[in-house]
Order: sequence, then C-alpha cells, then structure tokens
Amino acid sequence: DTAVSQTPKYLVTQMGNDKSIKCEQNLGHDTMYWYKQDSKKFLKIMFSYNNKELIINETVPNRFSPKSPDKAHLNLHINSLELGDSAVYFCASSQEWTPNQPQHFGDGTRLSIL
Amino acid sequence: AQSVAQPEDQVNVAEGNPLTVKCTYSVSGNPYLFWYVQYPNRGLQFLLKYITGDNLVKGSYGFEAEFNKSQTSFHLKKPSALVSDSALYFCAVRAHSGNTPLVFGKGTRLSVIA
Repeated sequence: DTAVSQTPKYLVTQMGNDKSIKCEQNLGHDTMYWYKQDSKKFLKIMFSYNNKELIINETVPNRFSPKSPDKAHLNLHINSLELGDSAVYFCASSQEWTPNQPQHFGDGTRLSIL
Repeated sequence: AQSVAQPEDQVNVAEGNPLTVKCTYSVSGNPYLFWYVQYPNRGLQFLLKYITGDNLVKGSYGFEAEFNKSQTSFHLKKPSALVSDSALYFCAVRAHSGNTPLVFGKGTRLSVIA
C-alpha cells in the first residue's frame, strides 16, 4: 500500500492553463506539506498544513493555492501556469507538527510547461 | 534563518569502502537534523535523525551519522558501501521551536563503483 500517493505522476500542459495535483496519505498523519524540487534538485517548502489548517506559506506566488478537505488530503491548484513552474512537486506528511518528526514523501508529480 | 551546506556535489567511492557524505548546518538554538535519500524518479526516503542525546545516530540500511555541535556538522557515514547505495542524499535541519520549516541542503550525489 502506498503511504503518500500523488496524482498525476506526469503533467504536461500549455502556459496559461490551470491545473491541479492531488495528494492523499493513508498513514493517519496530522500534518501535510508541498515541496518544489527544481531542475538542480534543490528542494524548497511551499506549504504546510496541520489538521487542515495552513501553518506555513512560504514566498509562493498566489497563483498556487493549496486545499485540504480533510487531514488525509492536500491538493495543490495552480492558476495561469508559467514556464518557471516546470518542476517536480512533492507531497509529504508527518505524524504531527512537532519538528522532530520525519516526513514521508510521495513519488512526485513532474510538471512540464510547454 | 536556518541553513544547510553540503559542500560536495558528488562523492565517488569503491564498493566495500567506507563512505562519508558531509553536512554542516546553521540554526538558532538546538537543531533537529535529518538525512534523506532520493532514488531516481522517487520521493525522498527518511534515513535517520538526531534529536538529542548520543552523538552517533544509527539509521536504515546500515547508515549512521555523527552530530558534532562544536563543528555544527552532521556527516553521514557507512562502513562498507554498496552499489545499491548510489543515490542523491539530502541533509536537513529544523529548529526546535517556532513554526519553522524543514530546510534541505542542495544534495550530494553518491556514486558507488563496483
């Protein structure tokens, strides 16, 4: 059973389109995250949610909007896609917000903007 | 602000030899430190963490890491490398307090040669 699953795995789309990436975890964790990994493999936090509440919102364009319908799901909607949005987006979860908790990652969504 | 430095982009080691992947950190107060591994087209997998106590931490797949407070380092080690250890390794730090995110280093690519 996949612990943190993301769909789709690959997303190829045109500039200006709107797209969503879904994430689900079956670990019973309280906290979920979105990360962006660029072409140089640098990994940066975008958002953190704890019990469906937004905790961290890093300097991310407001074209990116996370939504957490329940503790097990954290989706990412992106409006007006730009070339610079091309990256791998990772969802992750941890048992709770406590900073010593390890995070469990999905296998990523590879977003390519044409 | 917290930060992590991984000074080597690439580490090459012969199979059976010991390996070290270096990491230094900067954080206000005491750190929580983590190592993650990423295989091609996969998400990050947690290897080990330092919270407090014993400076030598043992983790998955025979890896260990040594916390050195005076040198602000947390180097990853393994006594005998395997070809299957070849992957991208990330060191990460998080502060004990505040709503601070997990901050990753830029990653070190480990190549184990048979």
